[in-house]
Amino acid sequence: EPEVTQTPSHQVTQMGQEVILRCVPISNHLYFYWYRQILGQKVEFLVSFYNNEISEKSEIFDDQFSVERPDGSNFTLKIRSTKLEDSAMYFCASSETYPAQYFGPGTRLLVL
Amino acid sequence: AQSVAQPEDQVNVAEGNPLTVKCTYSVSGNPYLFWYVQYPNRGLQFLLKYITGDNLVKGSYGFEAEFNKSQTSFHLKKPSALVSDSALYFCAVSPRAGNMLTFGGGTRLMVKP
Repeated sequence: EPEVTQTPSHQVTQMGQEVILRCVPISNHLYFYWYRQILGQKVEFLVSFYNNEISEKSEIFDDQFSVERPDGSNFTLKIRSTKLEDSAMYFCASSETYPAQYFGPGTRLLVL
Repeated sequence: AQSVAQPEDQVNVAEGNPLTVKCTYSVSGNPYLFWYVQYPNRGLQFLLKYITGDNLVKGSYGFEAEFNKSQTSFHLKKPSALVSDSALYFCAVSPRAGNMLTFGGGTRLMVKP
């Protein structure tokens, strides 16, 4: 069964550093998403992406965040200058058509 | 803005007994409703969804959920729990017009032998 994959599974970085989280969505899916879950809190929507552009974003997704689909398979989330409060589990998701979304296993980001 | 409430942090059931994990929602208009399950060190796995039609929807692993519009609820159920069902369960809602999912806080299901 096709799955969404994410790399790395864990990332530790220093505050102020840039990080790129990578995702490979399910191959025939057209809609891509990033969510995050701070430890002990709810899963929160960050951004959705369709047809090579952002279709929706939350208040969390400020200028420090960006997304890109650099080729036909990868979908990336970049945080330009990480802050302590960016420490969270980041989930990528994809969907063939709206609305059922399929999630990857997540990348645990720790900012020191 | 939409919201989801899962009033129980944890539900404990004995193996073989029926289980219910509760979810209530608030959204403008008619919602799309979802249940996801998370096992340790795994992502969120899609269980089932309600879009329209029959209020009782069936999903993976023998789970089902009942949509109740008057009570704005979408409780997850299973007639006979398995130890392997022990996991974290998330209810989510999406508005028809948008595509973001809003999640509840999650309910940990513990099924004891």
